[in-house]
Amino acid sequence: QKEVEQNSGPLSVPEGAIASLNCTYSDRGSQSFFWYRQYSGKSPELIMFIYSNGDKEDGRFTAQLNKASQYVSLLIRDSQPSDSATYLCASSGDTDKLIFGTGTRLQVFP
Amino acid sequence: EPEVTQTPSHQVTQMGQEVILRCVPISNHLYFYWYRQILGQKVEFLVSFYNNEISEKSEIFDDQFSVERPDGSNFTLKIRSTKLEDSAMYFCASSEVPRNTEAFFGQGTRLTVV
Repeated sequence: QKEVEQNSGPLSVPEGAIASLNCTYSDRGSQSFFWYRQYSGKSPELIMFIYSNGDKEDGRFTAQLNKASQYVSLLIRDSQPSDSATYLCASSGDTDKLIFGTGTRLQVFP
Repeated sequence: EPEVTQTPSHQVTQMGQEVILRCVPISNHLYFYWYRQILGQKVEFLVSFYNNEISEKSEIFDDQFSVERPDGSNFTLKIRSTKLEDSAMYFCASSEVPRNTEAFFGQGTRLTVV
């Protein structure tokens, strides 16, 4: 069974801090990894994706991938209250489908 | 900015009834997907569709489900005889190319089976 695991949280950080969200995956054939943000009752919104080992930065967001450890992370710098949401990690391999984790709820308090 | 649109936003139906959920993918996208999310649970893949045929489906996507692209813009999910456990958010998604690329999600249809 191909799984993506995330800590459900909540992860609470003060405004302006760095939020670190983590994800592990079981399928070594996974090739690409995606971070989606989901506000309550809304649809997943793509933040960024990564498929090479190392870091990928986009504005306040940095995705990190370590295929040897089967580990993906998302760092959010200068966290804002508007970043409060559930962050979904997803993987894809040699098929079309995305396999999602259960998500980590992030709370940024002023 | 182009987006995936879904209708209706909320559908209430009686158990055993048929429902059709509609989606208009992003216009230059060729790959279409349906996912569902039962309240409080993870987003689950149902089916992917390309070139007017199903390319992959999950175990959830049994004989009561079907998909269709009836014209050049719409993509539909039909549930033939709804069950209580079909109550969920159903998300349509589309991508320009397959596999390992960005899939953009519609706002979802909340299906409530009573």
